[in-house]
Amino acid sequence: GIQVEQSPPDLILQEGANSTLRCNFSDSVNNLQWFHQNPWGQLINLFYIPSGTKQNGRLSATTVATERYSLLYISSSQTTDSGVYFCAGYYGNNRLAFGKGNQVVVIP
Amino acid sequence: DGGITQSPKYLFRKEGQNVTLSCEQNLNHDAMYWYRQDPGQGLRLIYYSQIVNDFQKGDIAEGYSVSREKKESFPLTVTSAQKNPTAFYLCASSMGGPPTAFFGQGTRLTVV
Repeated sequence: GIQVEQSPPDLILQEGANSTLRCNFSDSVNNLQWFHQNPWGQLINLFYIPSGTKQNGRLSATTVATERYSLLYISSSQTTDSGVYFCAGYYGNNRLAFGKGNQVVVIP
Repeated sequence: DGGITQSPKYLFRKEGQNVTLSCEQNLNHDAMYWYRQDPGQGLRLIYYSQIVNDFQKGDIAEGYSVSREKKESFPLTVTSAQKNPTAFYLCASSMGGPPTAFFGQGTRLTVV
């Protein structure tokens, strides 16, 4: 079936700490995207990462498609990094399936 | 500005009423999607459309209807048959390969 599983579900970080979020996905899912949901509910694109590694400032992502997982790294976390991070993958005819998210709280 | 516009931002519906949520994009994307998000949950697919005049049911289509008469518009109607419509609704569009989805700001629907 279609599975996109994220861990950990909740994470509390001290400002300045680093963290890693994980997304496991089933064989029928590919072309991973990572999103950040801001406090107003909007989903912001972070990375489109079907494979390999990408970096954008303090965020980076790695997808190992052969092993069906993707990682999102947050370095030197800031309070503005708080929110929910979603992993999503495509299956079938360009349908997008979401994980349940990683709720991240960064404390000053 | 290029993007996806959802309106209204907040919507209140009485029991038994149909309401329509608007989604417009000027990104020239072929595919458009509607998702529902409940508190503390991920996003679940309601309907999606790959091209004009064609759309497919997602995982939770019951009680919803859509149309795709124009490339830039994909309105969602929440009918009275939807038993628990209070939720946050998100519209997205994506371009062809490689597919990359972009989202609107969402509509928060509350039944009163």
